[in-house]
Amino acid sequence: DIVMTQSPDSLAVSLGERATINCKSSQSVLYSSSKKNYLAWYQQNPGQPPKLLIYWASTRESGVPDRFSGSGSGTDFTLTISSLQAEDVAVYYCQQYYSTPRTFGQGTKVEIK
Amino acid sequence: QVQLVQSGAEVKKPGASVKVSCKASGYTFTDYYMHWVRQAPGQGLEWMGRINPNSGATTYAQKFQGRVTMTRDTSISTAYMELSRLRSDDTAVYYCAREVRGVGLDHWGQGTLVTVSS
Repeated sequence: DIVMTQSPDSLAVSLGERATINCKSSQSVLYSSSKKNYLAWYQQNPGQPPKLLIYWASTRESGVPDRFSGSGSGTDFTLTISSLQAEDVAVYYCQQYYSTPRTFGQGTKVEIK
Repeated sequence: QVQLVQSGAEVKKPGASVKVSCKASGYTFTDYYMHWVRQAPGQGLEWMGRINPNSGATTYAQKFQGRVTMTRDTSISTAYMELSRLRSDDTAVYYCAREVRGVGLDHWGQGTLVTVSS
């Protein structure tokens, strides 16, 4: 199984400041034939299901604000919120869909400082 | 628009079984895999397995092998997840989620709370 490890577990950022979340996979999720990383980021607000934010490690889902960006390749990935807004307070998860079992990171809680 | 509507909350005793439904609308049900993910209170997301609604083929997480059964009824565009021999640590919100091939889980059901308590 591919193990996904996020860091930090939580972070507090001032409104308008940058938030950065890291995700590391225990093996590469780069799909050789398509040259795409099968890595997604989800946002989960309390009491709500997760929402897909980014796929292929760096492609924003339709409707996702451009302050959210993803980067990385192979085994190391980053989700960046360039200017934190109040509505961005949530738990963020990375997930690999390169192989089964699909696996998630443990989650990173983002709060306002 | 794509919608996944799950069945309501359940309370079960240890050792019982629960069957959660997930009715899909707004797209061709058989064109996308359906996954099941659970979340225990205050915990992270745990993948349970998936079903190919077209063929009925399933893949389960090893942790749930022998206890979980995923099925579908294509005539009513509904997927089901049945978990047997329930334990207290199966108390969780269970989600269905549609997977777009090569993209990820783009639509999720609202979740079904299953409480296991004597």
